[in-house]
Amino acid sequence: GQNIDQPTEMTATEGAIVQINCTYQTSGFNGLFWYQQHAGEAPTFLSYNVLDGLEEKGRFSSFLSRSKGYSYLLLKELQMKDSASYLCAVRDQAGGGNKLTFGTGTQLKVEL
Amino acid sequence: KAGVTQTPRYLIKTRGQQVTLSCSPISGHRSVSWYQQTPGQGLQFLFEYFSETQRNKGNFPGRFSGRQFSNSRSEMNVSTLELGDSALYLCASSLAPTGTETQYFGPGTRLLVL
Repeated sequence: GQNIDQPTEMTATEGAIVQINCTYQTSGFNGLFWYQQHAGEAPTFLSYNVLDGLEEKGRFSSFLSRSKGYSYLLLKELQMKDSASYLCAVRDQAGGGNKLTFGTGTQLKVEL
Repeated sequence: KAGVTQTPRYLIKTRGQQVTLSCSPISGHRSVSWYQQTPGQGLQFLFEYFSETQRNKGNFPGRFSGRQFSNSRSEMNVSTLELGDSALYLCASSLAPTGTETQYFGPGTRLLVL
C-alpha cells in the first residue's frame, strides 16, 4: 500500500517563503506530483519530480529525495492568491499507468 | 486547446438511484482517470482507462463502474447510490498512461445524495 503525509494547515505572510513537506511510503515509485487546488475548483498541476533534486519553475520549486521518501514544495514571494490547498501525489509504478495516490492536502493561508 | 470537460457540473440524487457522469479529455489525450474527492478522505483513485480498456482500479465497491469510448470520452456510473457517495468526482486526462505524462483535471461533477 501507500501512505502519504503532509501537514494539514500552514500560515504564511505575503512576500515570504513557505516550504510544504510531503513524506511517502510506497510499494513502487514512478514520480511525485504537486497540485494546487483553490476552494471549489479542480486541482491544477504545479510540478513533477521523478529524479532526486530540485525542479524550479518561477516562484515554485519542488524537491525530491527518493531514498528518504521525501519531497517539498517551496513557494517564494507569496501572494494572497497562493492561498489554496496543496496536494502531494505519488504515482505507483507497481500497477503501471496513471494511478495517483494523493495526500490529504495542506491548506495554506497567506496573510497580509 | 480546450481543457477537460465534465458534465453535469452539479447533480442531486436520492438514495438507491443511479447516476452517470461524463468526461471529455483534452484533445489528443487517450488516458482518462477518475477520482472521488471528499472532505474526510481527500482525493481517491477510482479507475483509469486507456484505449477503451480499464488499466487500474481503486478500492471502491462494484457499484462504481466506468467505460471509455473510441473517441477517448469516458463515463462513470454509480448504481444504488448511498449517502456516502456525495462527493466531487474529478476526471483527469493525459496523453498516455506511462512515462512522465502529467494528468490534467476537469472542473468536476459535484454529486449530492439525499
